[in-house]
Amino acid sequence: GAVVSQHPSRVICKSGTSVKIECRSLDFQATTMFWYRQFPKKSLMLMATSNEGSKATYEQGVEKDKFLINHASLTLSTLTVTSAHPEDSSFYICSARVLAGGAEQFFGPGTRLTVL
Amino acid sequence: KQEVTQIPAALSVPEGENLVLNCSFTDSAIYNLQWFRQDPGKGLTSLLLIQSSQREQTSGRLNASLDKSSGRSTLYIAASQPGDSATYLCAVLRFTGGGNKLTFGTGTQLKVEL
Repeated sequence: GAVVSQHPSRVICKSGTSVKIECRSLDFQATTMFWYRQFPKKSLMLMATSNEGSKATYEQGVEKDKFLINHASLTLSTLTVTSAHPEDSSFYICSARVLAGGAEQFFGPGTRLTVL
Repeated sequence: KQEVTQIPAALSVPEGENLVLNCSFTDSAIYNLQWFRQDPGKGLTSLLLIQSSQREQTSGRLNASLDKSSGRSTLYIAASQPGDSATYLCAVLRFTGGGNKLTFGTGTQLKVEL
């Protein structure tokens, strides 16, 4: 149980385009999902907290207009990187917290974004 | 601001050796601490989760301890195997005004050699 999927696993795009990454909780409902970013050989940095039915909360230094987050249902959150540039190339990982299930987060397999 | 540090940053050991990975955090007001494994280019696999009221957790060859007052945790791996080669991350969960947040450590890259 508590499986989280991400799609796509890998995406390569041209500079200036927008890319959408999906995060799904497959066998549970999640009121809260989290988006992290990881640079090569670096740790995970929390970008934003996504709550179902409300606006996401962004961490300091993360541009909300650049990284659009939508959490329209209890099993799906999406991260859209708008007008992507090479510096947005990174590994994006989402996690989800079980509805009324405590504080533990379950992580997706990650999405590798490469912007040319 | 919570800061999480892991020592060493990289470690190479021969197969069969017992080893200890260290994690320290600056703010002891945590809800729990979790150890993860990450293989290259992959997501996170949760290994052990220790609640703030607990002192240790064990799973197979892994044992994690927590000393909240001193801001330290260790992950002990017994009889290491080449398949244990990966990056190990610790993370602490804390409650903030903005909700529950996980802060990750810098990671220890482990290589177990034949």
